[in-house]
Amino acid sequence: NAGVMQNPRHLVRRRGQEARLRCSPMKGHSHVYWYRQLPEEGLKFMVYLQKENIIDESGMPKERFSAEFPKEGPSILRIQQVVRGDSAAYFCASSPGQGANTEAFFGQGTRLTVV
Amino acid sequence: DAKTTQPPSMDCAEGRAANLPCNHSTISGNEYVYWYRQIHSQGPQYIIHGLKNNETNEMASLIITEDRKSSTLILPHATLRDTAVYYCIVRVADSNYQLIWGAGTKLIIKP
Repeated sequence: NAGVMQNPRHLVRRRGQEARLRCSPMKGHSHVYWYRQLPEEGLKFMVYLQKENIIDESGMPKERFSAEFPKEGPSILRIQQVVRGDSAAYFCASSPGQGANTEAFFGQGTRLTVV
Repeated sequence: DAKTTQPPSMDCAEGRAANLPCNHSTISGNEYVYWYRQIHSQGPQYIIHGLKNNETNEMASLIITEDRKSSTLILPHATLRDTAVYYCIVRVADSNYQLIWGAGTKLIIKP
């Protein structure tokens, strides 16, 4: 059973370009979570999705950021018109359910660098 | 979710038990304690979680005090590969999976 797969592992974008980060959850997992991590800090929650639905996007910036988890295919975190402050590691996690007794498993992350 | 407090860093000799403390004095009755670790900017790795009782798995043991205001993660025989940042998190039952991450404890295993 493959783990959570994220790609690309590293992404370099110029200011103003778009960044698309992909996450394939573990087999059998229908819950996906995106987190952002700045250097030397803990992870910050961004968004929680189930198949075709955004459940909680309270951690997402209101502009330029969007996320989806289509019926088929990976979850996508999209950042439009990137700025230097978007440079960070973006981690995706998945779980089979949302109960508090259910652990989430993380991917290896995508490191976005905006130049 | 309740806030947690962890020491910023700890050292431990290789082969000894590493005991990582966590304070969660405002924890509620339906909040679980989770531990994750992150090795050098890799993705966080789940270690263990518990509610009231002590828990043990192949990686570690989790000791939760009777009043649930603190807990200790125990790595019984630390190896150099256990060097990582360890995060203690509390999570409300039946909530969306919005883990609130602190700064964690940087554990350094020394040969």
